[in-house]
Amino acid sequence: GAGVSQSPRYKVAKRGQDVALRCDPISGHVSLFWYQQALGQGPEFLTYFQNEAQLDKSGLPSDRFFAERPEGSVSTLKIQRTQQEDSAVYLCASSARSSPGRNQPQHFGDGTRLSIL
Amino acid sequence: SQKIEQNSEALNIQEGKTATLTCNYTNYSPAYLQWYRQDPGRGPVFLLLIRENEKEKRKERLKVTFDTTLKQSLFHITASQPADSATYLCALDITGGGNKLTFGTGTQLKVEL
Repeated sequence: GAGVSQSPRYKVAKRGQDVALRCDPISGHVSLFWYQQALGQGPEFLTYFQNEAQLDKSGLPSDRFFAERPEGSVSTLKIQRTQQEDSAVYLCASSARSSPGRNQPQHFGDGTRLSIL
Repeated sequence: SQKIEQNSEALNIQEGKTATLTCNYTNYSPAYLQWYRQDPGRGPVFLLLIRENEKEKRKERLKVTFDTTLKQSLFHITASQPADSATYLCALDITGGGNKLTFGTGTQLKVEL
């Protein structure tokens, strides 16, 4: 398809397990973003890539969260030693290149709903 | 502290009426403001972008205003339809770099027959 694809759609893990969430952005999109969305809240920024470079990871809540985009296309968000507070929807978005004078809309996937038991 | 506020209470309106949603912000001077629609279990979908030097932007039945003095954006849906029922999110580029969006909490709109 032409949109942003995320997998899995649902993930249930026991506290302490590691999880990996995948994002396939729109082909040709330079920028890729990860957000965390709690129930009833707006998405909160986690991290941003331009091609393979991670330019901003200021939103990652702890060093248990790690994101990569090694070839500038597919991205993986990894959460180590999961905690119950990590339960949320994790959204990925991609966009064409943005700049200070050229703000681009972001195209979102439908997210991965993560539940930590 | 930096804050983006949207009416947390759901907005219920009758079909055919105009829905008006509010986004207020403090301590920012954003160059852009974006509006997104989100349906349950789905990711946000981009609707409109408005720049700080634009007072108003329209797209079909949608209209957005941006008042940088009041630090407020209004989002209007005219001739509303039940299919417009969703949560509407405003988002600001607070860094000015075009790369990082800060979202409000969203307002749930329900259009009734």
